[in-house]
Amino acid sequence: IQLTQSPPSLSASVGDTVTITCRASQDITTYLAWYQQKPGNAPRLLMYGASTLKSGVPSRFSGSGSGADFTLTIRNLQPADFGTYYCQQVNNYPYTFGGGTKVEIK
Amino acid sequence: EVRLVESGGAVVQTGGSLRLSCAASGFSFGEHNMNWVRLIPGKGLEWVALINWDGDSAYYAESVRGRFTISRDNNVNSLYLQMDSLRTEDSALYYCVKGGGYFALDVWGQGTTVAVSS
Repeated sequence: IQLTQSPPSLSASVGDTVTITCRASQDITTYLAWYQQKPGNAPRLLMYGASTLKSGVPSRFSGSGSGADFTLTIRNLQPADFGTYYCQQVNNYPYTFGGGTKVEIK
Repeated sequence: EVRLVESGGAVVQTGGSLRLSCAASGFSFGEHNMNWVRLIPGKGLEWVALINWDGDSAYYAESVRGRFTISRDNNVNSLYLQMDSLRTEDSALYYCVKGGGYFALDVWGQGTTVAVSS
């Protein structure tokens, strides 16, 4: 299953709302997770089951979608939100990641 | 504290072999699926392999199937990745990752670096 993320990169200001999309090449129901990775750090799980926020992740992060189209939204963007965001499908083996979206804070 | 510590990364020549290890602590290791994921410089994350909680089933990315073998020893809370017939494109930072709810990867180690040179 291929996952296509868009955009590949974006630049936004503190306080903005940003949206990252992830499209699967086939139906993955809601078996989709989102991760954030900062340079030099391991990835961090943000969301699983497409829309369930992991404990401890700020509520300004939200996820939606089912089937083949998914969205990660970050409201009130903060300086700590920079990094690369990846979606991952866990519906079928082999698991696959999207190509990533690099978020830069203006 | 839930912790995963990888080791075994090295510089190796193409065609060579390497065995990565991951020591787990702070959770019931034998109750969780475990994964290896790699970060390829300039390319992003690639899921490599999964082994289920009791070691009975294993799944692999197409790029490593037949060359890599994932295994675990629940008696010593350890995960392994045997890497054979290494290629330059296997050069990456390899993460040991715990499987969590809804099969998401919820705890990550800090990674160990594998460099394959020709």
